[in-house]
Amino acid sequence: EVQLVESGGGLVQPGGSLRLSCAASGFTFSNFWMCWLRQAPGRGPEWVANIKEDGSETYYVDSVKGRFTISRDNAKNSLFLQMDSLRAEDTAVYYCAKDGAWGQGTLVTVSS
Amino acid sequence: SYELTQPPSVSVSPGQTARITCSGDALPKKYAYWYQQKSGQAPVLVIYEDTKRPSGIPERISGSSSGTMATLTISGAQVEDEGDYYCYSTDSSGHHWVFGGGTKLTVL
Repeated sequence: EVQLVESGGGLVQPGGSLRLSCAASGFTFSNFWMCWLRQAPGRGPEWVANIKEDGSETYYVDSVKGRFTISRDNAKNSLFLQMDSLRAEDTAVYYCAKDGAWGQGTLVTVSS
Repeated sequence: SYELTQPPSVSVSPGQTARITCSGDALPKKYAYWYQQKSGQAPVLVIYEDTKRPSGIPERISGSSSGTMATLTISGAQVEDEGDYYCYSTDSSGHHWVFGGGTKLTVL
């Protein structure tokens, strides 16, 4: 059974940074593209970024390009999202996802 | 940037068929995925690759795609099917994904 467990969320001031982690299990992590999704309060979900199996390709939604960095450690079955220059509009629950399977999410709140 | 367009709301009576559409220019060549979200819960995948149903999803929920439109059909809709439905797909490059704006399904 696919399990994805996110961590690292919290309250951060505008302009600050956070690093989200996702521990994956139940499948061969190194064989799959992975992605981060988010859902702001009262809004629909949004794709944030994805990364190829070996980490050689990454793609981002325009609103986070240059501020967020997706990465992975296949030896540790882990996915990461480094978020810099955070803005109020980045406030959301962030989900790690593989195909249709999502984790439980971690809340990121950007506020002074 | 690429967009997927859904109607904001669909309303049906119990037992009727609900159809939710999703239009996008890349859909003739890219799969559509559908998520159901009930209040206070995380989205759940109900259809993948246009027509496939994950295990545990009732057979009354089905998907189809033709040209630039994908359709989620709920036959014999029940009150428990109420919620927000989102289509999800990728642009023509296959690398940038997007959700539709969501459709609120009301069954009453």
